[in-house]
Amino acid sequence: ETGVTQSPTHLIKTRGQQVTLRCSSQSGHNTVSWYQQALGQGPQFIFQYYREEENGRGNFPPRFSGLQFPNYSSELNVNALELDDSALYLCASSLGGHNQPQHFGDGTRLSIL
Amino acid sequence: AQTVTQSQPEMSVQEAETVTLSCTYDTSENNYYLFWYKQPPSRQMILVIRQEAYKQQNATENRFSVNFQKAAKSFSLKISDSQLGDTAMYFCAFRANSGYALNFGKGTSLLVTP
Repeated sequence: ETGVTQSPTHLIKTRGQQVTLRCSSQSGHNTVSWYQQALGQGPQFIFQYYREEENGRGNFPPRFSGLQFPNYSSELNVNALELDDSALYLCASSLGGHNQPQHFGDGTRLSIL
Repeated sequence: AQTVTQSQPEMSVQEAETVTLSCTYDTSENNYYLFWYKQPPSRQMILVIRQEAYKQQNATENRFSVNFQKAAKSFSLKISDSQLGDTAMYFCAFRANSGYALNFGKGTSLLVTP
């Protein structure tokens, strides 16, 4: 069973640029959630995708967007990067259903200069 | 909105001893799930244990157990026979049946010493 994999591991960008982070879900999982974890904080929910549709979103501006593909892998796109976007971005996959636990990847560390 | 509070930013325990991490939450929901996740320096968030709110029996996973007090909205984690590999950040998380998001606390940094 392949776990959740994220790429890249680390990324450095400058203010105003755009970035795409990628996530491959665990085998058999059809739901992907994205979280932002600032230094010293708990993860904050960005949004969730189920069968290629966004079905839940946290308190993040529209410049945070995403996609889910037919193989259930996912992308997180962030436009017009700001210094406060510096964080660890975590992807989690699960089977559909509220009683299913979310399994996390190792995250992408994004630094904005 | 749901909030999760972990009042202990840091804790320390000696190897083989028992430690309890605290978590309280605030919600108006009646049906929900509670979780404890472990995040070692490797960054991956690992599920330690989960509890369904409708179950009165406290969940147990090997050395890890919870004390779930629904009326008090309290969900503490007990680690027995602590091991050096238990050193990590521990996050308490809440998910309502009506929602999709995991709501996390700020975490407790646990250090297990020899």
